[in-house]
Formats: sequence, C-alpha cells, structure tokens
Amino acid sequence: QVQLVQSGPELKKPGASVQVSCKTSGYIFADKYVHWVRQAPGQGLEWMGWINPKNGGTNYAQKFQGRVTVTRDTSTKTVYMDLKRLRSDDTAVYFCARDSGNFLVSWGQGTLVAISS
Amino acid sequence: SYVLTQPPSVSVAPGKTARISCGGDNIATKSVHWYQQKPGQAPVLVVFDDTDRSSGIPERFSGSNSGNTATLTIRRVEAGDEADYYCQVWDSNDDPVIFGGGTKLTVL
Repeated sequence: QVQLVQSGPELKKPGASVQVSCKTSGYIFADKYVHWVRQAPGQGLEWMGWINPKNGGTNYAQKFQGRVTVTRDTSTKTVYMDLKRLRSDDTAVYFCARDSGNFLVSWGQGTLVAISS
Repeated sequence: SYVLTQPPSVSVAPGKTARISCGGDNIATKSVHWYQQKPGQAPVLVVFDDTDRSSGIPERFSGSNSGNTATLTIRRVEAGDEADYYCQVWDSNDDPVIFGGGTKLTVL
C-alpha cells in the first residue's frame, strides 16, 4: 500500500535551517507529485510547494519563495523539504502528501518543527 | 489569489445531517476536494472532484458544487465524524493549491 513516512520532530533556534524527509513506498515514485503542507498550532492547512519526482521540477508558494527548497533522491524514493531562516511563526506540523491529479490522496504522518531560542 | 471561505464551526446532533459550505468566486468552475482531519492526525481525503468519495469513505458523505458554493454533506452524523473539515481547489493563478480555513464539526 502507499506509504509516506516522515522524519522525526525537530527543535531549532531562530535563524537556523531544518530539513524534513518523506520516504515513499507502494507506488511508482516518478509518477506523482509530492507536496508539502504545514499546519501551525490551532491553525489551518497551508500549502508550501511541490516537486515533480520525475525531473526534479518544483513550484513554491509565493510566501515561501527564497526560504524553502524541495529536493528528491530517486534511489531511495525520498523527498526532502528544507526551510531556512527559521522564525518562531514557522513552528508547525509539516506534512508531505502525494497527489493524484489536483488533490492530495496520501499523506505522511506529519513532523513537528518547533522554533525556540 | 483565489480565496475559499468556510464557516469556523458547524454543530449537529447525532443522526442528523451536517452541511459544511465552502464559498469561492464562481467555484462551480473548479473541482473541489474535501479533507477530514481528526486531532493529532494527518488529513484524510473524503471527497474529490466535487462529488466522488475516496476509497473507504462511507456513503453518508457526499459533495456538491454550484454557483459560488460547494457543500460537503454528512448524513446520519455519528460521534466519530467530529473533526475539522477543509475544502481545497487547484488554481491556475499564483499559488496552485488553495485550502479553505477549515470548519470544526461538533457532534452534540
């Protein structure tokens, strides 16, 4: 079955960078885009960007352009999300999700990233 | 950019019908998708392309889309349906993936 398994929680200081990984299985990695969505405490879902695993092409939300980078490793079928210049309001649960057309059909379990000095 | 508007909360008694709205400019021209999220869990796709139920979702869940409003309808509501529900569309301008603000469904 399709699985997306994310890396564990992170505690970072303001100004630092974080990398969250998303290991996929159960489907043809190159066939479906992988997205990143975050959710601040008590808030709604916020789309951050996607990667096309076939060619590495990316598209980022305007809000995160210049701070977020999404990459992939085709040998391990893993997608990475790097967010730099962290601020306290980046504290959130970060989800990866596989799409099927224009909706998100399978989600990772989420990774808590906490920013605190 | 395109904006989706949901009521912050909807309350319904068990066994009754819940309707959660998602408003957007001429939203009927877009495909609307709905996610259910329970506390501490990842979202789960419940309805896609306006009306299609995702695998394993009970027939009690249905969707519609007309004019400026899409609606998720949950019939014979159960305690286990209590969750946050988000609508989502794909927009060809600016940011492509747009979520509504979410609606908390409370089962009384």
